[in-house]
Amino acid sequence: DTGVSQDPRHKITKRGQNVTFRCDPISEHNRLYWYRQTLGQGPEFLTYFQNEAQLEKSRLLSDRFSAERPKGSFSTLEIQRTEQGDSAMYLCASSPVGILNTGELFFGEGSRLTVL
Amino acid sequence: ILNVEQSPQSLHVQEGDSTNFTCSFPSSNFYALHWYRWETAKSPEALFVMTLNGDEKKKGRISATLNTKEGYSYLYIKGSQPEDSATYLCAFTAAGNKLTFGGGTRVLVKP
Repeated sequence: DTGVSQDPRHKITKRGQNVTFRCDPISEHNRLYWYRQTLGQGPEFLTYFQNEAQLEKSRLLSDRFSAERPKGSFSTLEIQRTEQGDSAMYLCASSPVGILNTGELFFGEGSRLTVL
Repeated sequence: ILNVEQSPQSLHVQEGDSTNFTCSFPSSNFYALHWYRWETAKSPEALFVMTLNGDEKKKGRISATLNTKEGYSYLYIKGSQPEDSATYLCAFTAAGNKLTFGGGTRVLVKP
């Protein structure tokens, strides 16, 4: 396992369609985070998991967004009925929990979504 | 809502020159301050994680300082090189959980 991987890297969809992104974290990392980044802005927190439990979800997150991490390993982020404002880079990151944890996040390369 | 501000948003640096930029964050409930470098088409990579007031960290030509009482951190690049061109992100965490990012400083080093 060489790092966090995300799939797909790029997704173009029409408004109103559903999209799903997948993230495979570093295997020994308990925590998994989803962030969204739009042009000219820093990454915005969406949600995070510790193992399979979703511990926090941004209040700014629409009900159209849902994330899962059913077995505490990979995670999926689904956006239903996409809107043009959903166009962004969706970043996944993972981190270990425990005595060696510095809080550092290990990021994937992101999934870029374009909604037409 | 936590406000993490970075300044400037972008800067152009001549190769060989040194530069610095700032990150301001809430001074209350401080836990850690992170710096990441994000190069185009790559994933953000951690540069520093800083926890103690007065901390100074260095990695090659890049260094950072931390003032938790007044809520700011500086990142310095000495003798900038074209490979330093990237967006530099700072992130604040209050309770060791999620990171709140600033908007980034986009650095372009001109040969």
